[in-house]
Amino acid sequence: NAGVMQNPRHLVRRRGQEARLRCSPMKGHSHVYWYRQLPEEGLKFMVYLQKENIIDESGMPKERFSAEFPKEGPSILRIQQVVRGDSAAYFCASSRGQGLSTETQYFGPGTRLLVL
Amino acid sequence: AQSVTQLDSHVSVSEGTPVLLRCNYSSSYSPSLFWYVQHPNKGLQLLLKYTSAATLVKGINGFEAEFKKSETSFHLTKPSAHMSDAAEYFCVVRIYNNNDMRFGAGTRLTVKP
Repeated sequence: NAGVMQNPRHLVRRRGQEARLRCSPMKGHSHVYWYRQLPEEGLKFMVYLQKENIIDESGMPKERFSAEFPKEGPSILRIQQVVRGDSAAYFCASSRGQGLSTETQYFGPGTRLLVL
Repeated sequence: AQSVTQLDSHVSVSEGTPVLLRCNYSSSYSPSLFWYVQHPNKGLQLLLKYTSAATLVKGINGFEAEFKKSETSFHLTKPSAHMSDAAEYFCVVRIYNNNDMRFGAGTRLTVKP
């Protein structure tokens, strides 16, 4: 049973380009979460999605960032017109979606974005 | 609002000695608490979680944590450190009906030979 998959593992972009980060949840999981980890900091929640729905995007920056989780295929975190401050590790997690606060989230290996 | 504070940004121990990583939480409701470990350039792995059952929770790799409501603490311990325990450890809180998990800033554990 494969875990949460993220690709690419490393992504280099120049300022102004777009970054697309992909996340495939664990088999049987229908809920996806995105987190950002800035250097020397803990993870910060960005967005929570179910298939075709954004449930909570309270942690997403207001501009340039968007996320989707289509009916088919992986979840995508999209960053338009990247700036140097977007350089970070972006982690995806998935859960079964039972809606319980005790539910475990399983994390992927992360995508490390570097903006030059 | 819920939050966690990890009291030490860096802990250094000798191999074979006990490990104590401290975490205090703040929550208006009964929280669920988690400890995750992150090895360099790797994803996060769940060590253990507290879900209002037993207050002493045993996790993987010999780690355990005790939930103390009176002290609002959830400290992580291990009787004897191993070199492979060197990593970043995150204490996490999630409350009922909340979609996000609040991470502490992390504690970097160094294990000396």
